Amino acid sequence: LAKTTQPISMDSYEGQEVNITCSHNNIATNDYITWYQQFPSQGPRFIIQGYKTKVTNEVASLFIPADRKSSTLSLPRVSLSDTAVYYCLVGENFNKFYFGSGTKLNVKP
Amino acid sequence: DAGITQSPRHKVTETGTPVTLRCHQTENHRYMYWYRQDPGHGLRLIHYSYGVKDTDKGEVSDGYSVSRSKTEDFLLTLESATSSQTSVYFCAISPGPGTNTEAFFGQGTRLTVV
Repeated sequence: LAKTTQPISMDSYEGQEVNITCSHNNIATNDYITWYQQFPSQGPRFIIQGYKTKVTNEVASLFIPADRKSSTLSLPRVSLSDTAVYYCLVGENFNKFYFGSGTKLNVKP
Repeated sequence: DAGITQSPRHKVTETGTPVTLRCHQTENHRYMYWYRQDPGHGLRLIHYSYGVKDTDKGEVSDGYSVSRSKTEDFLLTLESATSSQTSVYFCAISPGPGTNTEAFFGQGTRLTVV
């Protein structure tokens, strides 16, 4: 299983940009990098996915350097509702996903 | 939200009794997964299915069995529940096996074994 390393927790304030970095030194050629968000008492929800360079959608941006050994999820102007656990996942197939403990983001007013 | 429903949402059962959790989808996705989530462990894959009657083990399959007789239903059975199986169970679905597609998760089932 391709494992990842990300901070256990992060604090931020409303309106700030939050960057969560994930390390995945053993990423394989066919692996995609995917981020999920999980609110308390809910199942994880897909945020964004990429293979290389930069990907942006209406919720977040994902930055992936050329060596693909790390990635950074960027959340612009967070609000209290962005308080959640964020998982960085690396793998080619879902049956090989390693969720880990994720990063608990706490957004303060 | 993707059409995925887990039942029951909450269950308390006694040690040694069999328990079956149900995952129902209306998306006609081929792949279905069962995960458990425990504090400090994130989500761990128990079993998954890649089609009707086609299933395989995940990372933590001991003590669990699954069945998929119809595309829309994926059942997780604890043959003889133990306290170590107290957890939150999530079902997920995806159109394909590859992570270049999106997986959708259910709301979870909180199981307590006493």
